[in-house]
Amino acid sequence: DVKVTQSSRYLVKRTGEKVFLECVQDMDHENMFWYRQDPGLGLRLIYFSYDVKMKEKGDIPEGYSVSREKKERFSLILESASTNQTSMYLCASSTLTGSSEQFFGPGTRLTVL
Amino acid sequence: AQSVAQPEDQVNVAEGNPLTVKCTYSVSGNPYLFWYVQYPNRGLQFLLKYITGDNLVKGSYGFEAEFNKSQTSFHLKKPSALVSDSALYFCAVRDMKAGGSYIPTFGRGTSLIVHP
Repeated sequence: DVKVTQSSRYLVKRTGEKVFLECVQDMDHENMFWYRQDPGLGLRLIYFSYDVKMKEKGDIPEGYSVSREKKERFSLILESASTNQTSMYLCASSTLTGSSEQFFGPGTRLTVL
Repeated sequence: AQSVAQPEDQVNVAEGNPLTVKCTYSVSGNPYLFWYVQYPNRGLQFLLKYITGDNLVKGSYGFEAEFNKSQTSFHLKKPSALVSDSALYFCAVRDMKAGGSYIPTFGRGTSLIVHP
């Protein structure tokens, strides 16, 4: 079974803390994505990567950075967490083929106090 | 530019009745279209996709979707709803046109509630 895993299901952090969210996929996919999901706003793309060490900004990159040192691992970093970054964070992966569906992890619900 | 709209925030249906969740899209070329389902506190799960060929696409859990090019729609359907179908449904589109974004655009989601 194909699998995308995320390091935490629930996370509580304090304002100003540095936060790391990790995502690992075992499908040898080239593309990896980080989204945040908020009620009424659907999925918004933060960053994506199409290869190791390659990254591109999505729709809402401000306040976030990413790292992809290995093909299977894509990390999202909140340099200084703020309360408006309280959200559900979803990682996904896919092949480079345009017709490929995305495979999603279970999500991390982050609360910043 | 590519975009997708899910005009209903919520759809209510009685168990055993047919259900439809609507999706319309806009692309410059031809579309790749996807439906995903999200159960509470879970990630999204792929249901089905349209790439080319037959306009009626069959997917997981008895769901199907009909691609209508003239109406630029890709509505999700199921002949007989189950209470366990209650979830959040997302439509996504990607433009096949060369040079278009290879990242799909998602709709805002439709909450399906199936009443016993």
